[in-house]
Amino acid sequence: GEDVEQSLFLSVREGDSSVINCTYTDSSSTYLYWYKQEPGAGLQLLTYIFSNMDMKQDQRLTVLLNKKDKHLSLRIADTQTGDSAIYFCAESWGYGNKLVFGAGTILRVKS
Amino acid sequence: DTAVSQTPKYLVTQMGNDKSIKCEQNLGHDTMYWYKQDSKKFLKIMFSYNNKELIINETVPNRFSPKSPDKAHLNLHINSLELGDSAVYFCASSQAGLNTGELFFGEGSRLTVL
Repeated sequence: GEDVEQSLFLSVREGDSSVINCTYTDSSSTYLYWYKQEPGAGLQLLTYIFSNMDMKQDQRLTVLLNKKDKHLSLRIADTQTGDSAIYFCAESWGYGNKLVFGAGTILRVKS
Repeated sequence: DTAVSQTPKYLVTQMGNDKSIKCEQNLGHDTMYWYKQDSKKFLKIMFSYNNKELIINETVPNRFSPKSPDKAHLNLHINSLELGDSAVYFCASSQAGLNTGELFFGEGSRLTVL
């Protein structure tokens, strides 16, 4: 069945790197996504990776995809206090572009 | 200017009441969704409409009835509200066939059932 799992909490110091991990179940997902949710707001797409890629870099963000292990990670370099939020991993599932989300990882950045 | 807008943003009501949440998108997308986020931040899809046609209907009590009068609007009506319905309900939209499949979310409607 559909299932996306993430660690629930990560605390880092400002300037350090953050790594958020995710495992998913649907090996046929074409895209995998990272969404960010700030307090009291909706989710915003942070980045995504096409399933035939191993890595995608976008400024401070690096996404790594290990299809064999169905493992996805998001690395944020030089983490800032503004990066404090909940980060959701998501995979596309089945018909209708249904996105299945993980439970979210709360990232807390200490100054 | 807002891409996906929901109303109301906050809703407090008594058990047993009936309430509606409205959603509108001005992105020209043809697919809209309702997601429910519970108190533990777990986000789960409820419904999806493509060009006014229901295409995803997860296991949701039939007290929840979505309605899409046109492809820019998707409303959610909830009958006989229960305590467990308290959550944040997010509307989202996307364009079918768009490569990335990105969903654009509204800011959420926080429903509190007393």
